[in-house]
Amino acid sequence: GESVGLHLPTLSVQEGDNSIINCAYSNSASDYFIWYKQESGKGPQFIIDIRSNMDKRQGQRVTVLLNKTVKHLSLQIAATQPGDSAVYFCAESHSGNTPLVFGKGTRLSVIA
Amino acid sequence: DTGVSQDPRHKITKRGQNVTFRCDPISEHNRLYWYRQTLGQGPEFLTYFQNEAQLEKSRLLSDRFSAERPKGSFSTLEIQRTEQGDSAMYLCASSLAAGGEQFFGPGTRLTVL
Repeated sequence: GESVGLHLPTLSVQEGDNSIINCAYSNSASDYFIWYKQESGKGPQFIIDIRSNMDKRQGQRVTVLLNKTVKHLSLQIAATQPGDSAVYFCAESHSGNTPLVFGKGTRLSVIA
Repeated sequence: DTGVSQDPRHKITKRGQNVTFRCDPISEHNRLYWYRQTLGQGPEFLTYFQNEAQLEKSRLLSDRFSAERPKGSFSTLEIQRTEQGDSAMYLCASSLAAGGEQFFGPGTRLTVL
């Protein structure tokens, strides 16, 4: 079946640098996308979401970009901090009405 | 702390035993979801409730699994005759309504020996 996936399983960045985490999705019916952060031993924590009528959305230090043409989603973290170290998942849904489909995750390691 | 609680946080059991997990969602949330997560993977949907009605079940949810939300508040997930392949983190999430942000609990880590 169709699923959401990630290009890179691990990403290491220097503290203070910007991080970019990518995600590819294949379900063309998906119109709601979310990024979650998961720290060890904890449940996923909502970071930011975007609906398909937008191609960019900004939060505090985070930006999500959506390219519907190539079915690509990215999460940009500005001035990455040690506390950003975690596994990041993208997830997709149809209008937020269907259960979330998660990708496999990217582990972000911040080097001090 | 998202306001969603799960109990127990850890459960170790022997193969063939039954286990039951509990999830307490954020009080005003109508929707409650169960997911399963294995090491290195993203959460996989199992089932969800709108108030007390179970609206959808994944193909992952074998007949050994049953979930309830009798009063539209807390939910339980029971696994009968556990198998080693059931070892995973079981996550609960709740949302205020359809299309709303899902808030996840800390999960129950199940180890089947």
